[in-house]
Amino acid sequence: DVVLTQTPPTLSATIGQSVSISCRSSQSLLHSNGNTYLNWLLQRPGQPPQLLIYLVSRLESGVPNRFSGSGSGTDFTLKISGVEAEDLGVYYCVQSTHAPLTFGSGTKLEIK
Amino acid sequence: QIQLVQSGPELKKPGESVKISCKASGYTFTDYAMHWVKQAPGKGLKWMGWINTYTGKPTYADDFKGRFVFSLEASASTANLQISNLKNEDTATYFCARAYMDAWGQGASVTVSS
Repeated sequence: DVVLTQTPPTLSATIGQSVSISCRSSQSLLHSNGNTYLNWLLQRPGQPPQLLIYLVSRLESGVPNRFSGSGSGTDFTLKISGVEAEDLGVYYCVQSTHAPLTFGSGTKLEIK
Repeated sequence: QIQLVQSGPELKKPGESVKISCKASGYTFTDYAMHWVKQAPGKGLKWMGWINTYTGKPTYADDFKGRFVFSLEASASTANLQISNLKNEDTATYFCARAYMDAWGQGASVTVSS
């Protein structure tokens, strides 16, 4: 199975600070069809996860553009440009290029 | 708008069974597969598998083969998860999520305790 390693496990940020979360895969997530099926989710406390970014860098409808995704192959990054209070929660990367679908272990973002 | 509404919390004893439902609205149910995801208390997300909502064919992750059954009531735009012979380690919140994980149910809490 593909292992997704997220760093850091926890992140503390002040409002307005920019932060990045890394997701490294144990194997390339480039599919034979040319797509890379790496998404980012945010789970706020007591809520279900919500999709932020799909296909590495595409912003889900309704998600603020302070969120951005980048990367290729085995290394991926989620960046939040100017953290807001509502951004607290746990961020997960998830891949579906290879079966079975796997999630990263999560990065908890705390607001100072 | 797209919504996935799951059934309510369940309290069960070891060895019992439970059925969780996930009712979809706001889109054509059979156009999108449905995933099931487990989240144990204080833990991360674990993929259980998915069901093809057009054919009804389920696919289970290795850790969820045997006691777990995905099913459909397509006429009611509903996907179901049944867990039999419940164990303490099945205590968790179970989420349904549409194919691209762009819509999630609110989660269904299952507590297994004697």
